[in-house]
Amino acid sequence: ETGVTQSPTHLIKTRGQQVTLRCSSQSGHNTVSWYQQALGQGPQFIFQYYREEENGRGNFPPRFSGLQFPNYSSELNVNALELDDSALYLCASTNRSSAARYEQYFGPGTRLTVT
Amino acid sequence: GENVEQHPSTLSVQEGDSAVIKCTYSDSASNYFPWYKQELGKRPQLIIDIRSNVGEKKDQRIAVTLNKTAKHFSLHITETQPEDSAVYFCAASPYYQFYFGTGTSLTVIP
Repeated sequence: ETGVTQSPTHLIKTRGQQVTLRCSSQSGHNTVSWYQQALGQGPQFIFQYYREEENGRGNFPPRFSGLQFPNYSSELNVNALELDDSALYLCASTNRSSAARYEQYFGPGTRLTVT
Repeated sequence: GENVEQHPSTLSVQEGDSAVIKCTYSDSASNYFPWYKQELGKRPQLIIDIRSNVGEKKDQRIAVTLNKTAKHFSLHITETQPEDSAVYFCAASPYYQFYFGTGTSLTVIP
């Protein structure tokens, strides 16, 4: 297993609420990406953080936002939750400063259910 | 943005046979193509990858080929075993961002 961790494991929220998901990257990794994986689908790229700055964003609305901290851990915030936001949220980390900069390792995910 | 298509969506093979999964991508800026295996309830795990300056890469029973001109790449698994049963995802990466295909559910029948 990789050194990427996520919390919480599971979460149930009500439509309209806000949620914060957390990710600790693997030691030495300076880049974190977030993905949404709906049931039976592939992971969809939400955004990426590199050295505390957003560095690329997929086709997700502004109510999906994030942060990266000096220790390279990261948060994903989702405001005004909708039923369709129910999914597995995965983070993945890599070290863009290394020779293995393309290799990305996933955390176990947070299962979010919106009712 | 990048668009990755993956086929087939499901694949059943007899144990010992080969399995092939194909993907296409749209963005010529993509220069890295990983393949992930995801077992039920678990995180995706990197199984093999290829960079745009290489046409083929092999690791034991798994191989990946890349045709940059046609913008397609494929995963080949030989001598399949029941433990190969899982969902496989291809991905294409422009600028260190990863875009995934919709997955192939592989079943290896003993």
